Amino acid sequence: GENVEQHPSTLSVQEGDSAVIKCTYSDSASNYFPWYKQELGKRPQLIIDIRSNVGEKKDQRIAVTLNKTAKHFSLHITETQPEDSAVYFCAASSPGGNMLTFGGGTRLMVKP
Amino acid sequence: ETGVTQTPRHLVMGMTNKKSLKCEQHLGHNAMYWYKQSAKKPLELMFVYSLEERVENNSVPSRFSPECPNSSHLFLHLHTLQPEDSALYLCASSQDLGPPFLYNEQFFGPGTRLTVL
Repeated sequence: GENVEQHPSTLSVQEGDSAVIKCTYSDSASNYFPWYKQELGKRPQLIIDIRSNVGEKKDQRIAVTLNKTAKHFSLHITETQPEDSAVYFCAASSPGGNMLTFGGGTRLMVKP
Repeated sequence: ETGVTQTPRHLVMGMTNKKSLKCEQHLGHNAMYWYKQSAKKPLELMFVYSLEERVENNSVPSRFSPECPNSSHLFLHLHTLQPEDSALYLCASSQDLGPPFLYNEQFFGPGTRLTVL
């Protein structure tokens, strides 16, 4: 089955700096890669996703890049703010369905 | 209430108890999921239902028994659990599973925090 590795497990940045979280996946047939944000005590929520026919996608301060050849994808957050502090999960979807395998999560702390 | 709701929000049970977790989605979705979230494995898919039919059982022990009586409700029946089953159990729903290359956002409920003594 699919295996998703996520790094780093914790990331501390100064407010205004950029943050990058990286994920690798094992199943070359996976073709949908969402990112979820989970604030402390709250439910995970989708923040951005990318499909395998696209190399990069941007939404305001967040962007995701995908390298299918290397089987890795990354989340980039620019101009970080304290409200970006949360746990971020990457995921990869099985082909032909919506079943997600999640990475281990990254705890991002943005210091004011 | 809108979105995905779960009850109870907290549950403490002994290893010999039988209890059930309930999930309800008010989004008109056709697919529902159970996830387990713990410190060891942050988000682990347990079961997937599409149009009330189970389409995935991710090697979950039989002491967890799901039930989906209709597309709006999903239950997780628990019996003879172990202390290592203590975790946050999250329910999610999506519009449907879709054909290949059609993926839908999964909306999560707030979770049930389960403690097994």
